[in-house]
Amino acid sequence: GAVVSQHPSWVICKSGTSVKIECRSLDFQATTMFWYRQFPKQSLMLMATSNEGSKATYEQGVEKDKFLINHASLTLSTLTVTSAHPEDSSFYICSARTSPGTGARNTQYFGPGTRLTVL
Amino acid sequence: AQRVTQPEKLLSVFKGAPVELKCNYSYSGSPELFWYVQYSRQRLQLLLRHISRESIKGFTADLNKGETSFHLKKPFAQEEDSAMYYCALSSDTGRRALTFGSGTRLQVQP
Repeated sequence: GAVVSQHPSWVICKSGTSVKIECRSLDFQATTMFWYRQFPKQSLMLMATSNEGSKATYEQGVEKDKFLINHASLTLSTLTVTSAHPEDSSFYICSARTSPGTGARNTQYFGPGTRLTVL
Repeated sequence: AQRVTQPEKLLSVFKGAPVELKCNYSYSGSPELFWYVQYSRQRLQLLLRHISRESIKGFTADLNKGETSFHLKKPFAQEEDSAMYYCALSSDTGRRALTFGSGTRLQVQP
């Protein structure tokens, strides 16, 4: 089956620093990847849609200058939390959608998530 | 705007009992509905989708457009079914991003 990895799985950083999280589709190409945020005991909230070779589309209320997304290849998207603050502490999850014409269409495969703690 | 509602935060049943996890949605077009499951300390994984009309691990879900529901059912619960279940909706056009419900934790007791 399709596998999506995330790195790192957890990170602790000081307030004011930037943190980069990688999302990779290991055995398939994904023209579209999604970034979600999950607070404790809550559901996943879509932050942005990452499209290979173009600018990301951010959901309302998500600061694009705060959460920089780059989708440089068909297998890699990165989320950079810039000038992180304690309120950015959360569980960040990415998903990758199979490209049209490949296997089950419109299926999103999820990464294991990255737990960010900002001190 | 699209919305997914899962009214139960927790559903506790005994092994062998029937299970029904409720999901209602609102969407103006023709949505695609999914059920995702998250076992303890594992990633979110697709359980089933309405267009497949299949049964996975004994679970089924039927899309009822009249009632705008996509309830997840299993006739006989097993202990290994204990997990967090999320109902999700994808639009039929555009980015097709997923909108998730708040999730229901299923506890199957021995």
